[in-house]
Amino acid sequence: DTEVTQTPKHLVMGMTNKKSLKCEQHMGHRAMYWYKQKAKKPPELMFVYSYEKLSINESVPSRFSPECPNSSLLNLHLHALQPEDSALYLCASAGSLNTEAFFGQGTRLTVV
Amino acid sequence: DAKTTQPPSMDCAEGRAANLPCNHSTISGNEYVYWYRQIHSQGPQYIIHGLKNNETNEMASLIITEDRKSSTLILPHATLRDTAVYYCIVRVRGSGSARQLTFGSGTQLTVLP
Repeated sequence: DTEVTQTPKHLVMGMTNKKSLKCEQHMGHRAMYWYKQKAKKPPELMFVYSYEKLSINESVPSRFSPECPNSSLLNLHLHALQPEDSALYLCASAGSLNTEAFFGQGTRLTVV
Repeated sequence: DAKTTQPPSMDCAEGRAANLPCNHSTISGNEYVYWYRQIHSQGPQYIIHGLKNNETNEMASLIITEDRKSSTLILPHATLRDTAVYYCIVRVRGSGSARQLTFGSGTQLTVLP
């Protein structure tokens, strides 16, 4: 199994809603990443987890809250988002820090 | 991690080799060259990586110049399904403190029928 699975594939939420994005991998990878990608732009790193601990936070606003409950699962909790937060959110995992990362297909988020 | 420079776009005829260049003149001795591609609205896909020797796998070949300041990704027989944005990234490999996998602007490759 070489897949990173992200759910849901699409999400529409209001600015007062609370929602969560989920990412799962069963490759035994110990590094997991969240990226945000706006249209026609490259992915931008948001968070890095290593061995279930937050390793990097790229100054992401607190309305985005990551969580790594176990080595296979990575969540991104969303609260009070703005329309400009609409984007493709990508999850990736890697066998260890700084080795090749494998990406999920992303969650297309629309904030209305 | 070192900065990379890629042409914004390239065209290639179907069945021909696609040669995608990347400049990384400030690369450090312990930094690898990675290539990823992203087909429209999908997640990026790992293609290949290398340090200083040329590398080949089932998807592509990677040619790194002797001074390591530039590299070329070669898709030997491009198909329409190879149309994507191709990203060249240089970064340290292995354990140690976390390093971002930072994407530059990439090259939009369009394979023409």
